Amino acid sequence: AQSVTQLGSHVSVSEGALVLLRCNYSSSVPPYLFWYVQYPNQGLQLLLKYTSAATLVKGINGFEAEFKKSETSFHLTKPSAHMSDAAEYFCAVSEQGGSEKLVFGKGTKLTVNP
Amino acid sequence: DAGVIQSPRHEVTEMGQEVTLRCKPISGHNSLFWYRQTMMRGLELLIYFNNNVPIDDSGMPEDRFSAKMPNASFSTLKIQPSEPRDSAVYFCASSLRLAGETQYFGPGTRLLVL
Repeated sequence: AQSVTQLGSHVSVSEGALVLLRCNYSSSVPPYLFWYVQYPNQGLQLLLKYTSAATLVKGINGFEAEFKKSETSFHLTKPSAHMSDAAEYFCAVSEQGGSEKLVFGKGTKLTVNP
Repeated sequence: DAGVIQSPRHEVTEMGQEVTLRCKPISGHNSLFWYRQTMMRGLELLIYFNNNVPIDDSGMPEDRFSAKMPNASFSTLKIQPSEPRDSAVYFCASSLRLAGETQYFGPGTRLLVL
């Protein structure tokens, strides 16, 4: 079965600093990969997804992620953090075998300091 | 589109009572997912349906939990009898039935069992 590891349950950055949230997956076959964001008291919403097209994927709110097969990674970055980016971020991978089921990481809570 | 609709948004009940959570997926979506989110266990998939048929219920904690999808526009998750450890946020999500498709999450139902 697929698994997803998000390094760091909490990440804190200063406003204007680089945001880097790490995600590694376990798969011998390039999967579909997703980043979701959850703002307080809300459901998850899609930031971006990789579906075997370009390895650098651009999402909403200035976020992007790069698929690196050799490292089985899909790290999320944003050049300059904004206060409104404070939220919890989840990496997810599709189950093998073409399933619509997703396996989620445990999440990384991002704090942005003024 | 209104997105995924869940009701109620908040539910407070006493141990032993029956709880019913409701979900209306996005029109045209044929996969529906029920998740539970807690601080301790993160986001867990409880069950999912394709074309109203339960496909994988391996995440359902125990027999006290049951889910139904009588038609394409409505699903319920029932807990009977409820216990304090069932306190969590329950999310419903829907998607098209294709690998790599985005899951769209509802706002969640925050359940507190006293």
